[in-house]
Amino acid sequence: DAKTTQPPSMDCAEGRAANLPCNHSTISGNEYVYWYRQIHSQGPQYIIHGLKNNETNEMASLIITEDRKSSTLILPHATLRDTAVYYCIVRSGGSYIPTFGRGTSLIVHP
Amino acid sequence: GAGVSQSPRYKVAKRGQDVALRCDPISGHVSLFWYQQALGQGPEFLTYFQNEAQLDKSGLPSDRFFAERPEGSVSTLKIQRTQQEDSAVYLCASSLAGLGQGFVEQYFGPGTRLTVT
Repeated sequence: DAKTTQPPSMDCAEGRAANLPCNHSTISGNEYVYWYRQIHSQGPQYIIHGLKNNETNEMASLIITEDRKSSTLILPHATLRDTAVYYCIVRSGGSYIPTFGRGTSLIVHP
Repeated sequence: GAGVSQSPRYKVAKRGQDVALRCDPISGHVSLFWYQQALGQGPEFLTYFQNEAQLDKSGLPSDRFFAERPEGSVSTLKIQRTQQEDSAVYLCASSLAGLGQGFVEQYFGPGTRLTVT
């Protein structure tokens, strides 16, 4: 699976959009981009995934660049409850073992 | 609609003791995963079950670690002769589909925090 690079930490004001970047320059054609988050003392929670098209669900939007070497997870109106570690994972569709890395610690402040 | 549950939530063991960690997956979920998460790190894969079959145990760090899922539902992760380096959070996750069915989101439990003294 391709390696990902994320900033170790970010902060965001409550009510503003949080844009979390992820670099995956070695991604191959059959690899998806997945995002999970882990709130303190809880297990990771699936957020969204995509292959090459931008995706949106009730939690977030995922923007993947045309060359697929990077992506951005967007939380459009961050709340205090969005404070968590966000993991960007790249893996092929047939691979069931995600490699989490250290993720980005997002702090949403009032 | 209960989620994945794990017990105990916290476990303190003296070095050399055996421990057993339990995972109750979501009812009907075919796949079950165990992960180990050290402080400040992301979860790392330990082992995978499809129903009662343990199809992958490549992540188990040593032969002191043993996992089972005898009836294809509840799973137990056992660690024998615990060492200090075994201190971590142990996460269980389940998913509806089995292998070869494409990506299906994994639902994680809250984890068991193991501290070996």
